[in-house]
Parts: sequence; structure tokens; C-alpha cells
Amino acid sequence: RKEVEQDPGPFNVPEGATVAFNCTYSNSASQSFFWYRQDCRKEPKLLMSVYSSGNEDGRFTAQLNRASQYISLLIRDSKLSDSATYLCVVIGNNNDMRFGAGTRLTVKP
Amino acid sequence: GAVVSQHPSWVICKSGTSVKIECRSLDFQATTMFWYRQFPKQSLMLMATSNEGSKATYEQGVEKDKFLINHASLTLSTLTVTSAHPEDSSFYICSASGLGSGNTIYFGEGSWLTVV
Repeated sequence: RKEVEQDPGPFNVPEGATVAFNCTYSNSASQSFFWYRQDCRKEPKLLMSVYSSGNEDGRFTAQLNRASQYISLLIRDSKLSDSATYLCVVIGNNNDMRFGAGTRLTVKP
Repeated sequence: GAVVSQHPSWVICKSGTSVKIECRSLDFQATTMFWYRQFPKQSLMLMATSNEGSKATYEQGVEKDKFLINHASLTLSTLTVTSAHPEDSSFYICSASGLGSGNTIYFGEGSWLTVV
């Protein structure tokens, strides 16, 4: 089993749709969680951190479920510019960093 | 905000030669730096983790003698691909975290390596 697993995708959604991604992790001692966005041929950029209490930033909501060991990202009112690959990142108790394989999102007009 | 700069962005080298990629944290002390490789249409793969002043910890399957990592200061880490071959052609990215990064990991812009 991979240490971090994401929805396989790709997700193709119309503008304005709501889309959700999940990411599961195997190390129960993991400490920090993030969602990154990566555009084609570019480096990943931090989208948002994920906190136990959940956090929201505009159209984006991230949640952490420690009991079930997964994090989620919800995007509301999708825009064309949201098209990208979304990576979940999990930091373990040894400061090791693990990526999910990424979920590709394409928002269409 | 915190910035990580990577250089060069693009490099083409001949098979058998060595290439050095630099990763700098511009306004924070990068106590930990990570090096990744990404092949087309694949996810980032962690190659090694380096802590300032210590030897890098390599992931399983990554040859430490081929991919030399140096993290001699709190603002600079280098990755040297020695005796590069065409199969080493890839997108290499570094990331860093540490004092002043707000507990966030920031990525360099990445370096495209093509070995011909």
C-alpha cells in the first residue's frame, strides 16, 4: 500500500461545479498536511494547509480526518483557472515528506 | 514571503558529464531541504532529504554516489547528477522549510535536465 494515495482522476467538470478530492495516508503519526497545486511543467505551489478543525479559503475548503486518516479538498464554483493537478502532501513524524500521485482537474466552459 | 530559488531552469548536457543544480532559500533559514524528480505525467518522487550540516538521507532506489547532495549552509543546497545519462533526463525540484518559513514547505521553480 502506498503511503499517500489520492483519487486517481482525471476529473473533468463544467464551470461552476463543485468538486472534491480525497487523499488517504498510512502513517498514523503524520503531523502536517497540505494541498499543493501544480500546473503543467511548473513547480507545485502551496494551495492551503490542512488543520484538524478544517479550514476554508474562499472557494476552497480543506478538512482532515485523523481517525480515518484522510484529508479532503473541496472546490466550489469551479473556474477555468482551477484546471491543474492537485497534490496532497503529508509530513511524517520524522519530518519526511510524502506526496500523493496527484489528481488532475480540468474545468471546461 | 518565503522564496526558494533554483538554478538553472534548463540545462542540456552531454552523456557522461556532470550537472550541478542549486537551490537557495532567499529569506529564511532552510534547515531541511528536499530534492525530487518528476518524469512526464508522473508524480513528484522524493529522492533525498538533507538537513543542514548533515549527510543527506536518500530514498530507496536512489543512488547516493550518482546524485550528490550538499547542504553546507542554511541557504544553499546543491544536487549534482554525476555521469549523467539520457535516462536521467527529468524535471528536478527542490523544496525547503525551516526558520522563517512559517512551518510551510516552499518549492524551487524546478530544473529541466536533458541529457543527450
